Amino acid sequence: AQTVTQSQPEMSVQEAETVTLSCTYDTSESDYYLFWYKQPPSRQMILVIRQEAYKQQNATENRFSVNFQKAAKSFSLKISDSQLGDAAMYFCAYRSASYSGGGADGLTFGKGTHLIIQP
Amino acid sequence: NAGVTQTPKFRILKIGQSMTLQCTQDMNHNYMYWYRQDPGMGLKLIYYSVGAGITDKGEVPNGYNVSRSTTEDFPLRLELAAPSQTSVYFCASSTGTNHNEQFFGPGTRLTVL
Repeated sequence: AQTVTQSQPEMSVQEAETVTLSCTYDTSESDYYLFWYKQPPSRQMILVIRQEAYKQQNATENRFSVNFQKAAKSFSLKISDSQLGDAAMYFCAYRSASYSGGGADGLTFGKGTHLIIQP
Repeated sequence: NAGVTQTPKFRILKIGQSMTLQCTQDMNHNYMYWYRQDPGMGLKLIYYSVGAGITDKGEVPNGYNVSRSTTEDFPLRLELAAPSQTSVYFCASSTGTNHNEQFFGPGTRLTVL
């Protein structure tokens, strides 16, 4: 079974600065997907960014980028120019790409990192 | 497009009571999921379905049942509620294609007293 570990329960950053959230995972598979989800106080789960394991290039979405190190099984999220609206819980998640039901056996989540933005 | 909708938003149950959490999606997604989120934890998969009539267990299925009679609906049934089932429940759906993005509902906060 896969596991996802987020070692930072809470992070704090000044508005407009850059912050990096850490995520490591454990798997024996070679093909999979990794995600970062944001959960604001509203509870809604919002996809921030995703990475396909077969792609060497790190994914980028506007101010959000990842550092994907496949050999190290590391998948960190960098948020540049932090904004007050970025304050939320951030969850790292793993999903197999193998056909054990079309990869339909759901996401495996880490415990989350609470990101605080200081004005 | 309403996306994934869940009802109710909040519910308090007494120990031993039963209830059904409703989930509906209007995106014609084949894949649907139920997760639970305990305080300070990530989401854990309860059950999932790859299409109407097909369901399978996830990581934490005990105490729950599901059915999938239509593509749109994926209700979660709690029988004999226990305090350990106090949690926030999320329903999600996806197309099942390789990108595998899951779209989540707003969640149901359930308290069992």
